[in-house]
Amino acid sequence: GQSLEQPSEVTAVEGAIVQINCTYQTSGFYGLSWYQQHDGGAPTFLSYNALDGLEETGRFSSFLSRSDSYGYLLLQELQMKDSASYFCAVRDSNYQLIWGAGTKLIIKP
Amino acid sequence: DTGVSQDPRHKITKRGQNVTFRCDPISEHNRLYWYRQTLGQGPEFLTYFQNEAQLEKSRLLSDRFSAERPKGSFSTLEIQRTEQGDSAMYLCASSFGDSDYNEKLFFGSGTQLSVL
Repeated sequence: GQSLEQPSEVTAVEGAIVQINCTYQTSGFYGLSWYQQHDGGAPTFLSYNALDGLEETGRFSSFLSRSDSYGYLLLQELQMKDSASYFCAVRDSNYQLIWGAGTKLIIKP
Repeated sequence: DTGVSQDPRHKITKRGQNVTFRCDPISEHNRLYWYRQTLGQGPEFLTYFQNEAQLEKSRLLSDRFSAERPKGSFSTLEIQRTEQGDSAMYLCASSFGDSDYNEKLFFGSGTQLSVL
């Protein structure tokens, strides 16, 4: 079967750095995406990795290791507005996105 | 650009009734997706259109579910004979599908369905 594993909840302090891990097992792999979703809101695209390595976009970075079927999202200089759920999603051999269950990020002042 | 809009935002219905949801994608986007999301889970793929053609439908999708995208613009998702297990957030997303890989989806705010 196909599965993506990510922690259900992560807690961090405002101003700190947090890493959200994602491991995947899918039929085919055409890239790892990350989406952010605030409570009651729509998922919004954060990043995409097709090749191994680190992609940086402002305070957010995303990493991929295809040999380990592993990636992570790194959030720096955490702000209270970053409190949300973060989803990793893999594009499989049918070109469809398979989603993880999401990681709820709780930020404390 | 007003983003992806969905209507209604909330729908409460009785078991056995039919419901229909509407999605208006971003105007220049040729791809449209329907997803279902329950609390604490990621979005679950339901179906996908490229222009007016429905290219894929989840094997998990009951035949009570049907979707259309006439003229390749807005889309409707109908659920017939609703069941309590259909209660979920129904999300629509669109994209400008010039790549099968790095495809950035734009989501609407969803329709929250409650079946009593």
